[in-house]
Amino acid sequence: DTGVSQDPRHKITKRGQNVTFRCDPISEHNRLYWYRQTLGQGPEFLTYFQNEAQLEKSRLLSDRFSAERPKGSFSTLEIQRTEQGDSAMYLCASSLGDRGPRQFFGPGTRLTVL
Amino acid sequence: AQSVTQPDIHITVSEGASLELRCNYSYGATPYLFWYVQSPGQGLQLLLKYFSGDTLVQGIKGFEAEFKRSQSSFNLRKPSVHWSDAAEYFCAVGADNQGGKLIFGQGTELSVKP
Repeated sequence: DTGVSQDPRHKITKRGQNVTFRCDPISEHNRLYWYRQTLGQGPEFLTYFQNEAQLEKSRLLSDRFSAERPKGSFSTLEIQRTEQGDSAMYLCASSLGDRGPRQFFGPGTRLTVL
Repeated sequence: AQSVTQPDIHITVSEGASLELRCNYSYGATPYLFWYVQSPGQGLQLLLKYFSGDTLVQGIKGFEAEFKRSQSSFNLRKPSVHWSDAAEYFCAVGADNQGGKLIFGQGTELSVKP
């Protein structure tokens, strides 16, 4: 257990539905990252926050995706109008920005879009 | 472009045998380098990291890695593999001037024969 938690661990949804995932980072960590991992691939960066500010978004993050970190603590990742191609493991990680890019990963949320 | 290459998609070794997993990177700045391990359905666990200094880095579970700047490599080694080492291994690079985000290789799946 790294101290980073994600909820839910598994989500099955039908195409076109909206889904929201939550990540709770290690409490003192100011940076929070979202990654997506598809079968047989390494994680791919989606977006990251420093405190409550979203500082970078990958081109992978289409306009159907939105992420928030309203109080600089937990974060949510919402996918609207899900597509089968969104099926993946969504990983959250956190770090202390002044300690170099060492990240602690949560267990992930596995999304299956039917 | 920044990238990480893990040339071996799948490796099988006998229990007790030595192991080397290859990682090559392409990165403009001086990178931070990581090896993570992922068991099925789980998040990523950090095995070891290289930030600076001694190019031979010791990690958890008896793993070590050597940074070779001239070869742009960061290979992971273990002298004697245990059955519990069977998992997916990911090499990653990151840098503070990139917001600390990590770029991962596609992973190497390790199987261990009894």
